[in-house]
Amino acid sequence: DAKTTQPTSMDCAEGRAANLPCNHSTISGNEYVYWYRQIHSQGPQYIIHGLKNNETNEMASLIITEDRKSSTLILPHATLRDTAVYYCIVSSTFKAAGNKLTFGGGTRVLVKP
Amino acid sequence: DTAVSQTPKYLVTQMGNDKSIKCEQNLGHDTMYWYKQDSKKFLKIMFSYNNKELIINETVPNRFSPKSPDKAHLNLHINSLELGDSAVYFCASSPRDRGNTIYFGEGSWLTVV
Repeated sequence: DAKTTQPTSMDCAEGRAANLPCNHSTISGNEYVYWYRQIHSQGPQYIIHGLKNNETNEMASLIITEDRKSSTLILPHATLRDTAVYYCIVSSTFKAAGNKLTFGGGTRVLVKP
Repeated sequence: DTAVSQTPKYLVTQMGNDKSIKCEQNLGHDTMYWYKQDSKKFLKIMFSYNNKELIINETVPNRFSPKSPDKAHLNLHINSLELGDSAVYFCASSPRDRGNTIYFGEGSWLTVV
């Protein structure tokens, strides 16, 4: 699976949009971009994933560049409960078994009042 | 209802003891996992089972033995516990058709003294 690079940490203001960047310049054609987050003392939580089109769900939006070498996770209206470590992961998917998502260091996001 | 539940949540035990962590998922998923998160917060996969069959076995000491009595349960047995085994252990599961959309439990905090 391709490697990803994320900023170590970032702050954002409550109520504002939080834009979390991720670089994945070695992504291959069959690899998806996944985002997970881990709130303190909890298990990781799936947020969203995409291949090449932008995606949106009730939690966030995912913007993938046309060359697919980078992406941005957008939390449209950050709340204090969004404070967490956010992981960007690239992996081929839809394998019935044998998936082993590789979690890197992630971005520690602190939402401030 | 908790989707992926694991017990115990906290476990403090002495070196050399044998302990087990139990995991159950009520999502009807085919694949289950054990991940380990160490003190540096890196999350690494240990094992993966698909329909009770071992699929992934990362480089883990053979003191760690997973057991899957059925596809809804994946227990982790640890023999001869060592100080370095202290970590948070997360159980997880994923559906057959979306293997990288993984649902994690809340974690089991193991402290070996």
